[in-house]
Amino acid sequence: SQTIHQWPATLVQPVGSPLSLECTVEGTSNPNLYWYRQAAGRGLQLLFYSVGIGQISSEVPQNLSASRPQDRQFILSSKKLLLSDSGFYLCAWSGDSSYEQYFGPGTRLTVT
Amino acid sequence: GQQVMQIPQYQHVQEGEDFTTYCNSSTTLSNIQWYKQRPGGHPVFLIQLVKSGEVKKQKRLTFQFGEAKKNSSLHITATQTTDVGTYFCAGVPMDSNYQLIWGAGTKLIIKP
Repeated sequence: SQTIHQWPATLVQPVGSPLSLECTVEGTSNPNLYWYRQAAGRGLQLLFYSVGIGQISSEVPQNLSASRPQDRQFILSSKKLLLSDSGFYLCAWSGDSSYEQYFGPGTRLTVT
Repeated sequence: GQQVMQIPQYQHVQEGEDFTTYCNSSTTLSNIQWYKQRPGGHPVFLIQLVKSGEVKKQKRLTFQFGEAKKNSSLHITATQTTDVGTYFCAGVPMDSNYQLIWGAGTKLIIKP
C-alpha cells in the first residue's frame, strides 16, 4: 500500500532563517506531487505541483521554492522566511492517471 | 479565474441533527471530490463523483453531483461526534491537468 511521509511535524523558525521541508511517498511510482499551505481555520492554497522529476509548477508568487530530486521525493524550501510563511504545510500525491489526492500528516510552521 | 464556492462556512448542529454543505463551481467539472479534515489533522479523501446527476452513499453520508456538473452537495444524516471536522469539496475542471480547485470548506460543529 502507498504511504506518504512528511517531516518535521512541527517547526519554529526565526524570521530570515532558511527552510527545508521534505516529503516522500512509498508504494507507488511516478506520482503527481503537491505542496499546499493552510492558514489557521482556512482552506487549502496550492503552492507547487510536480508531474515528474525536475518538473515543478508554481501557483503563486512567493519566497518559497520546490524541488523534486527523485521520483518520490518532494522538497519545499525558502532562503529567508517571512512572518507570513507561518502555516500548516501539506504534501499530497495522486496517481499519474487519477485525480484523488492523498495527504501527508503535515508540518506546522511558526515563524517568529 | 476558476473557483468553487462552498457554503456555509460553519454549521452548528445538535448531535442527531442533519448537516449539509454545498459547492458551486464557476466552470463545468469532469469530476468532484470530497475530503474530510479532522481538527488538527490532514484532509482525507472520501469520495469522487464523475457522472452527471450521480448520487453515492457512504453509511450516513450522501453525495450528489449536479446534472450540469457544476454543483455538488454532501448531506450527513443524524450527525455524530465522530463527524466533527471540516468538509472540503474539490473539483477538476474539464481542461485540468490533475489540479484540483478547492472549496473553502464547511466546518461542522456539534453543539454540547
